[in-house]
Amino acid sequence: GAVVSQHPSRVICKSGTSVKIECRSLDFQATTMFWYRQFPKQSLMLMATSNEGSKATYEQGVEKDKFLINHASLTLSTLTVTSAHPEDSSFYICSAPRGGLAGYEQYFGPGTRLTVT
Amino acid sequence: LAKTTQPISMDSYEGQEVNITCSHNNIATNDYITWYQQFPSQGPRFIIQGYKTKVTNEVASLFIPADRKSSTLSLPRVSLSDTAVYYCLVGVASGTYKYIFGTGTRLKVLA
Repeated sequence: GAVVSQHPSRVICKSGTSVKIECRSLDFQATTMFWYRQFPKQSLMLMATSNEGSKATYEQGVEKDKFLINHASLTLSTLTVTSAHPEDSSFYICSAPRGGLAGYEQYFGPGTRLTVT
Repeated sequence: LAKTTQPISMDSYEGQEVNITCSHNNIATNDYITWYQQFPSQGPRFIIQGYKTKVTNEVASLFIPADRKSSTLSLPRVSLSDTAVYYCLVGVASGTYKYIFGTGTRLKVLA
């Protein structure tokens, strides 16, 4: 089946630094990808929609200058957490839709655990 | 964006059939119903998707009544490894549709 990868799987960074997370669709192209954030024991919260060749669209309450998204190619989207703070520590998950016989299905990456110290 | 309501948690025993119901009263005509499974520290994994009536695959069945205002995920003979959070999502099966996750149902399978 379709695979979406994320790199790194976990990262620890110091407060004030920036961290980049990559999301790749390994065997299909995705003009759109989605970024989610998940805190412990909570559901996934949609952060933004990454669009290949154009600006990302952010959900209400998500700071676009803090969470920079770049959809560099049809198989790669990156999320950069700028000037990270401890409250940004979370599990970040991306997804990419792939078309099939019954319409589109969202394929999720394995997630990236970010810890800001 | 359709809103879904699921039980927060459920317990079951190994070997039993588990049915998780999701309410989506304002589902739109073009919306599909999709269920995902998530283990701790992993991304959600697709289980099953349907539009109406009944869909079955090798791991689950999905029952959707005629009014489509609810759906039931049925897991036959669960095992300890089925302990996970199950999410019901409703939306258009398109490449740009934004899925909004509800609370999900935390299923615990007991020995």
